[in-house]
Amino acid sequence: SQQGEEDPQALSIQEGENATMNCSYKTSINNLQWYRQNSGRGLVHLILIRSNEREKHSGRLRVTLDTSKKSSSLLITASRAADTASYFCATGTGANNLFFGTGTRLTVIP
Amino acid sequence: EADIYQTPRYLVIGTGKKITLECSQTMGHDKMYWYQQDPGMELHLIHYSYGVNSTEKGDLSSESTVSRIRTEHFPLTLESARPSHTSQYLCASSELGGHEKLFFGSGTQLSVL
Repeated sequence: SQQGEEDPQALSIQEGENATMNCSYKTSINNLQWYRQNSGRGLVHLILIRSNEREKHSGRLRVTLDTSKKSSSLLITASRAADTASYFCATGTGANNLFFGTGTRLTVIP
Repeated sequence: EADIYQTPRYLVIGTGKKITLECSQTMGHDKMYWYQQDPGMELHLIHYSYGVNSTEKGDLSSESTVSRIRTEHFPLTLESARPSHTSQYLCASSELGGHEKLFFGSGTQLSVL
């Protein structure tokens, strides 16, 4: 399986702190995506980084990709209580479908 | 907000019942997907479709079936529900192409008693 593995499984921080989540995967990819899921809801796409990119920013989000290590990280700066959610990485091969990781459960304490 | 809708939001039924979970999208996307997710776990792809009259099985074996008669509609059917089918079912869609950003519905939480 080329499903990603997120690390840590759960993370609890104070509002205003930065949160970093990591994702490792097993096979070659075309792109890697990060999604957020609020409890009991569907997933929302956050950011996509292509295999030839190393870093990407979107608002308070910063994603890095290291294809040599088959890993990615998601940094959320200046966290807010509303950022409390589960975060999933998903790898795409460009062929068929995305493979989702196990998720990191982030809790931001007000 | 994504224009993809799932109904019902919650469903509690008895064993042996036939159920259909509805999914519709208004974005004109060709590809549609059904994922199954247990609480706190990863998503598993159970069905997908490239377009009208196309249906494929996903990575996780499922007793459910799907149909794609119209581009915007991708219903999932369980002929005889069992407690092991209790899970959250997420529908998603995307444009055809190599970079597949998915748009998800809010999900159907199914409980089979």
